[in-house]
Amino acid sequence: EADIYQTPRYLVIGTGKKITLECSQTMGHDKMYWYQQDPGMELHLIHYSYGVNSTEKGDLSSESTVSRIRTEHFPLTLESARPSHTSQYLCASSWQGNTEAFFGQGTRLTVV
Amino acid sequence: DQQVKQNSPSLSVQEGRISILNCDYTNSMFDYFLWYKKYPAEGPTFLISISSIKDKNEDGRFTVFLNKSAKHLSLHIVPSQPGDSAVYFCAAINTGGFKTIFGAGTRLFVKA
Repeated sequence: EADIYQTPRYLVIGTGKKITLECSQTMGHDKMYWYQQDPGMELHLIHYSYGVNSTEKGDLSSESTVSRIRTEHFPLTLESARPSHTSQYLCASSWQGNTEAFFGQGTRLTVV
Repeated sequence: DQQVKQNSPSLSVQEGRISILNCDYTNSMFDYFLWYKKYPAEGPTFLISISSIKDKNEDGRFTVFLNKSAKHLSLHIVPSQPGDSAVYFCAAINTGGFKTIFGAGTRLFVKA
């Protein structure tokens, strides 16, 4: 059973606010990822990490930032939320050398 | 530029019959393919995978077929059950790289 958790599950926030989406996994996975998904669309990789102190930008340009200070924790921050950031954000993790990823339940963000 | 395409947004099947979900890819460097299943308000969960050195992989009611010359893979579910109703994402990876590329998903409805 996968143990990867995202909070909050749902968030409605005003334009200009700073927000942090939390993601934690208890499996000791080295790799962690953030995907963004709009309804009926592909999952787009926005950030990933090979391990502690490693962060990289994904294929989809994003104004968000991430940090990886601990193996188990990979938070995503938006300094100033805008309506264009409204989407579902999915966190995932996997072992090094393993292609199968475990996903959290997602955070559905609405910026008004 | 969509490298992984799922051209059918939805599919409706009668309980007990076969469900066939299709996926096409364009990048010949992909060497590993996965199917994920997603229920509403949950993150995707890994279902089945196949390496490019194989043309078939079977796990219970689920079978994935790979046709490399056609750059096409399909997921067969036999027999289909109402609990299979979900969105199915096809994904592809170049294991020499890092990123998994997802399709837009196909929503499967299995009618009782």
